[in-house]
Amino acid sequence: NAGVTQTPKFRVLKTGQSMTLLCAQDMNHEYMYWYRQDPGMGLRLIHYSVGEGTTAKGEVPDGYNVSRLKKQNFLLGLESAAPSQTSVYFCASISEPRAYEQYFGPGTRLTVT
Amino acid sequence: GENVEQHPSTLSVQEGDSAVIKCTYSDSASNYFPWYKQELGKRPQLIIDIRSNVGEKKDQRIAVTLNKTAKHFSLHITETQPEDSAVYFCAASLNTGTASKLTFGTGTRLQVTL
Repeated sequence: NAGVTQTPKFRVLKTGQSMTLLCAQDMNHEYMYWYRQDPGMGLRLIHYSVGEGTTAKGEVPDGYNVSRLKKQNFLLGLESAAPSQTSVYFCASISEPRAYEQYFGPGTRLTVT
Repeated sequence: GENVEQHPSTLSVQEGDSAVIKCTYSDSASNYFPWYKQELGKRPQLIIDIRSNVGEKKDQRIAVTLNKTAKHFSLHITETQPEDSAVYFCAASLNTGTASKLTFGTGTRLQVTL
């Protein structure tokens, strides 16, 4: 059981470039989440999904898109990267809402220059 | 939406002393309050959590208390050790049959000195 994995671990982008971050879980979890973590600001929810084929906006969705075509994968896309999107991105999953504990991936450190 | 405030932002204690971190939340409907520990460069790890039907929960040196009336909850670490040094985050969530979204506090950097 790998749990929650994220690809890539590190990435440097130039302003205006695009990329996709992949989150994968092998625990058959229904709910998946994307957070960003910035110094002094804790983790903030970007988008989340309550099941295959569904997505919803979180607290800071602007500049990001997501897709959940397969239950085990949740993709986070940056269409035109900006320096303000420099952050550490964490993915998390939960089996169902009343299971409570969210399982986090190892994170992706993204720098936009 | 939910708003979680966390204090202090930094805390330095001597080894063996106790540490207390406090959080307040705004949404009275929130019913789940986890605490995460994050070491440098690592993912957040759940260390203890409490649900709204419980006032206190303890796990060895770690305890959490919840005051629903005042909408605040606290993390207590006793007999601190150097390995307790990390950033700690509180969070609040409304967990129902269809919803579960965590709102995090801004974190407390705990330094345990020898």
